[in-house]
Amino acid sequence: AQTVTQSQPEMSVQEAETVTLSCTYDTSESNYYLFWYKQPPSRQMILVIRQEAYKQQNATENRFSVNFQKAAKSFSLKISDSQLGDTAMYFCAFIRPANAGKSTFGDGTTLTVKP
Amino acid sequence: NAGVTQTPKFRILKIGQSMTLQCTQDMNHNYMYWYRQDPGMGLKLIYYSVGAGITDKGEVPNGYNVSRSTTEDFPLRLELAAPSQTSVYFCASSYAGVGTEAFFGQGTRLTVV
Repeated sequence: AQTVTQSQPEMSVQEAETVTLSCTYDTSESNYYLFWYKQPPSRQMILVIRQEAYKQQNATENRFSVNFQKAAKSFSLKISDSQLGDTAMYFCAFIRPANAGKSTFGDGTTLTVKP
Repeated sequence: NAGVTQTPKFRILKIGQSMTLQCTQDMNHNYMYWYRQDPGMGLKLIYYSVGAGITDKGEVPNGYNVSRSTTEDFPLRLELAAPSQTSVYFCASSYAGVGTEAFFGQGTRLTVV
């Protein structure tokens, strides 16, 4: 079974600074997908960024970027120029194509952006 | 666009009662999912469906049932509610499942007392 580990239950960062959230996973597969989701206090789950394992280039979406290290099975999320609206719980998720789209989620990292 | 709509948003059940959580999506997505999120934890898959008439168990299916008679609707049935089913329930859908973005409803907070 796949496992996803987020080793930082809570983190904080000052507004406008950069923060990195870590995620490691365990799989024997070579083809899979990784996601970061954001869950603000409203409870709505929002996709932040997606990475296909066959792509070596790290995904980027505006202020959000990932550091994907396939050999190390690491998938960290970097948030640049942190904003108060980034305060949320962040979940790392893993999907294996043979799993019909079923995701495995980590337990989340609660990020607080301080003014 | 409505996206994924879940009802109700909150519910309190007594032990042994039953209820159905409703989920509807208007994006014509094939795949639909039910997750539960316990306090401070990630999401665990209860059941999923890859199309109308097809459902399968996820990681934590015990105590739940689902049906998928239409593409749009994917209700989750709780029979004989137990305190261990106190959780936040999320319904999600995606177009093709693997590698595509899942769209989530706003969740149902269920408390069993």
